[in-house]
Amino acid sequence: NAGVTQTPKFQVLKTGQSMTLQCAQDMNHNSMYWYRQDPGMGLRLIYYSASEGTTDKGEVPNGYNVSRLNKREFSLRLESAAPSQTSVYFCASSEVRWGWGTDTQYFGPGTRLTVL
Amino acid sequence: DQQVKQNSPSLSVQEGRISILNCDYTNSMFDYFLWYKKYPAEGPTFLISISSIKDKNEDGRFTVFLNKSAKHLSLHIVPSQPGDSAVYFCAASGTNAGKSTFGDGTTLTVKP
Repeated sequence: NAGVTQTPKFQVLKTGQSMTLQCAQDMNHNSMYWYRQDPGMGLRLIYYSASEGTTDKGEVPNGYNVSRLNKREFSLRLESAAPSQTSVYFCASSEVRWGWGTDTQYFGPGTRLTVL
Repeated sequence: DQQVKQNSPSLSVQEGRISILNCDYTNSMFDYFLWYKKYPAEGPTFLISISSIKDKNEDGRFTVFLNKSAKHLSLHIVPSQPGDSAVYFCAASGTNAGKSTFGDGTTLTVKP
């Protein structure tokens, strides 16, 4: 039982390049999330997926796209990377269904992204 | 408008003493509160939670207190250990509030 896995662990991009961050969970959770954490700041929600087939914008969605490929996988894409997207990206999952249940989230180890 | 606030960015305590981390919230729809712990270069991990029907929940050295009238919760760590040094995030969610909202975190340093 690996929990939440993320690939890659580290990535360096040049401005304008694109890349996809991968996330998978093996806990059969319904909801998945992408956050970014900048130095000295908390977790800011980029996008989330309440269930397979649905995605919604979070607090800071500009410059990102997501795909909920199936119940296990939720990817984050940067189409044209910018230095402002240098951050640590965390994927998380929870079993909550909207309208009931508590949202205890399980996080992956993070992807450290640098955009030059 | 930040709905979950951790007003102390950092806290330093001596080993063996009590650590008290505080969190305030504004949304009255929140009815479930969580604390997460984060070590450097790792993802946050769930530590302890409390439902709004309770005012206290204990798990070993960790106790969370909830004061609904003041919209305030606190995490007590007794006794504090050097291994508790980490960033602690407060989060709030609810049946009608949906997904969690996180605070900015408090960095706890426990000195030997």
